[in-house]
Amino acid sequence: GAVVSQHPSWVICKSGTSVKIECRSLDFQATTMFWYRQFPKQSLMLMATSNEGSKATYEQGVEKDKFLINHASLTLSTLTVTSAHPEDSSFYICSARKSREITYEQYFGPGTRLTVT
Amino acid sequence: GESVGLHLPTLSVQEGDNSIINCAYSNSASDYFIWYKQESGKGPQFIIDIRSNMDKRQGQRVTVLLNKTVKHLSLQIAATQPGDSAVYFCAEDTSAGGTSYGKLTFGQGTILTVHP
Repeated sequence: GAVVSQHPSWVICKSGTSVKIECRSLDFQATTMFWYRQFPKQSLMLMATSNEGSKATYEQGVEKDKFLINHASLTLSTLTVTSAHPEDSSFYICSARKSREITYEQYFGPGTRLTVT
Repeated sequence: GESVGLHLPTLSVQEGDNSIINCAYSNSASDYFIWYKQESGKGPQFIIDIRSNMDKRQGQRVTVLLNKTVKHLSLQIAATQPGDSAVYFCAEDTSAGGTSYGKLTFGQGTILTVHP
């Protein structure tokens, strides 16, 4: 299998605080992970590409100082939403690609629901 | 139906009917396409994929058709079941240079409702 987990599955935080979301590949190594954001009744929007041992690559319009990404190991990437505001409330989803495999497929986590009050 | 603002297109079918979900993609250089199913509150679930050197691929109860001329992708679900009710997204791999970096661009999605 290829299982990706996220923690927490949901979180409520107060405006101005920071929240860390973890994305783990449970049974494979992932050199590359991706972070998406999804607003209600909308599609997934790629925020950034996370590469193990190097800086993340952010999509246009995504503030890298607000959404801090750390890919410290081949099985873990974290997304920290700093100084969260209500407009950051969203469904955050990660995905991962297997290392050393010539494949296009990527595996998605179950998502994390963030609510900022 | 048409998509207006934040409203996703919807498709309602009876159990046992065949369903066809359509998607227009944007990048003529994309060479990999995927269909995902997303149930409420969950992450996307892989259904089927197709490379640009193919125009049809079949899986279990699902078929994907690719028309590169008009940049159109469709997902056909045979004998649709209530458990198929979900939002369906197409995605294209828009990575450049012929080597996939995995950057996916998702379509707007279609809500499929299957009535028993």
